[in-house]
Amino acid sequence: DTGVSQNPRHKITKRGQNVTFRCDPISEHNRLYWYRQTLGQGPEFLTYFQNEAQLEKSRLLSDRFSAERPKGSFSTLEIQRTEQGDSAMYLCASSTVNYGYTFGSGTRLTVV
Amino acid sequence: GESVGLHLPTLSVQEGDNSIINCAYSNSASDYFIWYKQESGKGPQFIIDIRSNMDKRQGQRVTVLLNKTVKHLSLQIAATQPGDSAVYFCAEFEGGANSKLTFGKGITLSVRP
Repeated sequence: DTGVSQNPRHKITKRGQNVTFRCDPISEHNRLYWYRQTLGQGPEFLTYFQNEAQLEKSRLLSDRFSAERPKGSFSTLEIQRTEQGDSAMYLCASSTVNYGYTFGSGTRLTVV
Repeated sequence: GESVGLHLPTLSVQEGDNSIINCAYSNSASDYFIWYKQESGKGPQFIIDIRSNMDKRQGQRVTVLLNKTVKHLSLQIAATQPGDSAVYFCAEFEGGANSKLTFGKGITLSVRP
């Protein structure tokens, strides 16, 4: 296992299109997190799963955003009807307990 | 250091000197703190952590100091190397039911050869 894997690394989409990102956590990690990072800022929490249960969602996660972790392993983050303000780096992290996050390299989304 | 807008504060140091990066955190209930390093195009990378019942922790070339009285965290890097050039973030974690890390805004460390 080489760490947290995110795909795609880069995504360019037209405004109004839907996009989906995938995160494969470290295999023995039962906790999975999604963060968003805009240029010059620290990562901002979006949502968190423990196994397949989505336990917390930020108010940043509007109705256009949905995240799933159907089998408690990989997770997907979908953004519907993308807007230019959605352009950011989307980071996934996983952990075994509350501490010790490992981050992936992120998916860079550009909405044109 | 705090940043406004798109411009991160920058700390410029000479190679071989020691670096000190400072962070003010906001939540007095936070019980765990982490320093992350982020290089361009990569996700944050764990450097060192400290729990609220400690005031100092040392790693390899790095030391974290915690002052809970003034809610201040610092990262000291000894003998700074060009490979240390990156953006550094402090993050705080409340623990318990609130399982998310809250990140500060980051400081750019630039190492002069």
